[in-house]
Amino acid sequence: AQKVTQAQTEISVVEKEDVTLDCVYETRDTTYYLFWYKQPPSGELVFLIRRNSFDEQNEISGRYSWNFQKSTSSFNFTITASQVVDSAVYFCALSDVYSSASKIIFGSGTRLSIRP
Amino acid sequence: GAVVSQHPSWVICKSGTSVKIECRSLDFQATTMFWYRQFPKQSLMLMATSNEGSKATYEQGVEKDKFLINHASLTLSTLTVTSAHPEDSSFYICSARNYYNEQFFGPGTRLTVL
Repeated sequence: AQKVTQAQTEISVVEKEDVTLDCVYETRDTTYYLFWYKQPPSGELVFLIRRNSFDEQNEISGRYSWNFQKSTSSFNFTITASQVVDSAVYFCALSDVYSSASKIIFGSGTRLSIRP
Repeated sequence: GAVVSQHPSWVICKSGTSVKIECRSLDFQATTMFWYRQFPKQSLMLMATSNEGSKATYEQGVEKDKFLINHASLTLSTLTVTSAHPEDSSFYICSARNYYNEQFFGPGTRLTVL
């Protein structure tokens, strides 16, 4: 069975601090996708990244970076120099690749608050 | 880019009535659409998967007679909450998958049952 664990339920930091959101996953599939989504108070999900399990390279996009460690089944997300606008709930998620269903399974989310 | 819309964005109804929520892929054809439910301060839970022209596949614990899903075309899926009750109040989010196995989420529909 697939499972995504986000152990941090809430994080609060002061603006400009760096913050890392943890994500640990379980799957029996050898090929899978990992995702991060942002959900601001409006509720609409904002797609941040999709990573194929074949690609273990870390990724950087502006202030955002992702660390994929297959050996520890982790896909952590770091925000550098956080800003108030980063305040939101962040979800890590997992799906298989080849199944006709390709359901996305979400973690429980981490509520991030950035204090001015 | 790929856009998925939902209508309505919010709805308030009386207990016992039925509510229909539409999910449309605006600029692509969706081979599969998914319906999620999110209670306050909780995660998204998959309710069902629907493929165009066939019956939906429901997740364990989701009542198929209460949550009717119709996927009549490659761009439209509807979720009907029948005989809604206050415990059905939630945020309902759909997603649509294209031929490249990419999924795009709608903006969600907030349902409040009085």
